[in-house]
Amino acid sequence: ETGVTQSPTHLIKTRGQQVTLRCSSQSGHNTVSWYQQALGQGPQFIFQYYREEENGRGNFPPRFSGLQFPNYSSELNVNALELDDSALYLCASGGAGEVNEQFFGPGTRLTVL
Amino acid sequence: GQNIDQPTEMTATEGAIVQINCTYQTSGFNGLFWYQQHAGEAPTFLSYNVLDGLEEKGRFSSFLSRSKGYSYLLLKELQMKDSASYLCAVRDGDYQLIWGAGTKLIIKP
Repeated sequence: ETGVTQSPTHLIKTRGQQVTLRCSSQSGHNTVSWYQQALGQGPQFIFQYYREEENGRGNFPPRFSGLQFPNYSSELNVNALELDDSALYLCASGGAGEVNEQFFGPGTRLTVL
Repeated sequence: GQNIDQPTEMTATEGAIVQINCTYQTSGFNGLFWYQQHAGEAPTFLSYNVLDGLEEKGRFSSFLSRSKGYSYLLLKELQMKDSASYLCAVRDGDYQLIWGAGTKLIIKP
């Protein structure tokens, strides 16, 4: 158990819809990163938030957006869903130590039909 | 471009030793991580290397050579529960982790 929680566990949407995924970070961690993991692949970095500001973004279109709240919970929003958005979405929280390893939540499995 | 290569799949025997290699080409380097991921679960942190050399942690060790863009994860005294995917990730700059596709390790009795 990493102390990072995500909801919902599974979600089914249709193409063109919008989705919001939620993450609650581990206590004391002020950064949160979101990743997309397709089956059989490694995670792909979507973006990171630090103290409610986006401070890094991977190669994802603007329809992927996020928010981080003062209590360090966060959301990932995806608009105009496409079939290729079907994946496991992971959030990871990290502290500010030397290693700054990331602690992952269990993920949300999104299926777009 | 950014690239991290790992073998797709490896098989080993319970009680034996296995070495999983990772080579990387990234624009920046600020540490290399190994994570373990069981099927359907989130990755869990195993090790971190930022300087050349070997880091040992119980049955798991990780090695880094920055000049060669190379790392390996060594697992000793393999147990059935070690069957999982092992992911190599490089931190490029301050935050972004660039991930390999993972090596699926199959342990046989």
